[in-house]
Amino acid sequence: AQKITQTQPGMFVQEKEAVTLDCTYDTSDPSYGLFWYKQPSSGEMIFLIYQGSYDQQNATEGRYSLNFQKARKSANLVISASQLGDSAMYFCAMREGNTGGFKTIFGAGTRLFVKA
Amino acid sequence: KAGVTQTPRYLIKTRGQQVTLSCSPISGHRSVSWYQQTPGQGLQFLFEYFSETQRNKGNFPGRFSGRQFSNSRSEMNVSTLELGDSALYLCASSLVSGGAGNEQFFGPGTRLTVL
Repeated sequence: AQKITQTQPGMFVQEKEAVTLDCTYDTSDPSYGLFWYKQPSSGEMIFLIYQGSYDQQNATEGRYSLNFQKARKSANLVISASQLGDSAMYFCAMREGNTGGFKTIFGAGTRLFVKA
Repeated sequence: KAGVTQTPRYLIKTRGQQVTLSCSPISGHRSVSWYQQTPGQGLQFLFEYFSETQRNKGNFPGRFSGRQFSNSRSEMNVSTLELGDSALYLCASSLVSGGAGNEQFFGPGTRLTVL
């Protein structure tokens, strides 16, 4: 069963505007971590933001914030004041496991295009 | 501090051959994970190593194997290459294996082309 769902294959946003990238997840593990990564055309995965399943407040990192709604199992990424350099693929990921080992599962990704 | 390094960056092989990819984690990181990225399947987890032990494995055939050395460097081997093995192989390191919130730092990847 798919555990990370990103329903937006592509998104367009005007420069300087905010954009929300959707992510829903499914897990029965009470302890898990949610991540967002950016992958420019160069291929390198760049860590953006992290949200722990027990965190009470939504995570923020500069222009990035994570809208965590645990009951709905959603972890949307909000990018404020979009810049041309934000054009890239964005992946939502979930890390789960136990002392026997962990693994990270990625969504299919959303390609963001920032228009000048 | 140096980031995660992967060698080689690009590789071309033919069907039936075998290949070994190398990953050097960030200094002090003991956990290394490998992922395969293809346009059709996206990013898929291959395996995770911690302290020279494979801790978890994704749904890949036995042709895919790996190991981790005492200095935390890791290698991934694919035997009897198939056309479908053409992909970007990403390695990621984290400080420890435990803790769901442990951030993973990714290397630049090795792009493997199988002809």
